[in-house]
Amino acid sequence: AQSVAQPEDQVNVAEGNPLTVKCTYSVSGNPYLFWYVQYPNRGLQFLLKYITGDNLVKGSYGFEAEFNKSQTSFHLKKPSALVSDSALYFCASVPINTDKLIFGTGTRLQVFP
Amino acid sequence: DAMVIQNPRYQVTQFGKPVTLSCSQTLNHNVMYWYQQKSSQAPKLLFHYYDKDFNNEADTPDNFQSRRPNTSFCFLDIRSPGLGDAAMYLCATSRDTQPAYEQYFGPGTRLTVT
Repeated sequence: AQSVAQPEDQVNVAEGNPLTVKCTYSVSGNPYLFWYVQYPNRGLQFLLKYITGDNLVKGSYGFEAEFNKSQTSFHLKKPSALVSDSALYFCASVPINTDKLIFGTGTRLQVFP
Repeated sequence: DAMVIQNPRYQVTQFGKPVTLSCSQTLNHNVMYWYQQKSSQAPKLLFHYYDKDFNNEADTPDNFQSRRPNTSFCFLDIRSPGLGDAAMYLCATSRDTQPAYEQYFGPGTRLTVT
């Protein structure tokens, strides 16, 4: 079965420290990979995507993600966390030959002052 | 600014009383999606329209229907809401169904069933 896994329900980090939110995928072929962020009582906002090419993808708000084919991972990173980054983060994939997003279960990021 | 708008943001309905949620977009995107999201879980796709073509997910209950009268608007109708239908309903759009296109989400409508 095709799936996306986010192994951490919650990640806590101090403001100013680097953050990583983990995502692994299990889909056929070379997938399209996305990160979305959801602030309280809001819809999801697109952060970045990997389609092809450079494995390091840069996105909105200083976030970046690295596609690692051998580890089937697409971890979200930011060099210096802000309190305002606190939100729910979803990794998602669209497997080849489909058009539907497969979401991970979400990771709540809490950045402490 | 181009955007996806959902009205109302909060909706309270009674058990069994039909309710309609609306979504509009100024992005002129071909595809519109409806998702159900419960308690910070991952959104669950209910159905989507590619232009006027309706695509229902196999596990979407018959209680849920949708209409897309034109490119800009899409409606979610819940014919007989049950307590289990209380959730956040998210509308999203994308330029096309090709997988490279990201989806743009509205702010959601939180539905309460009493």
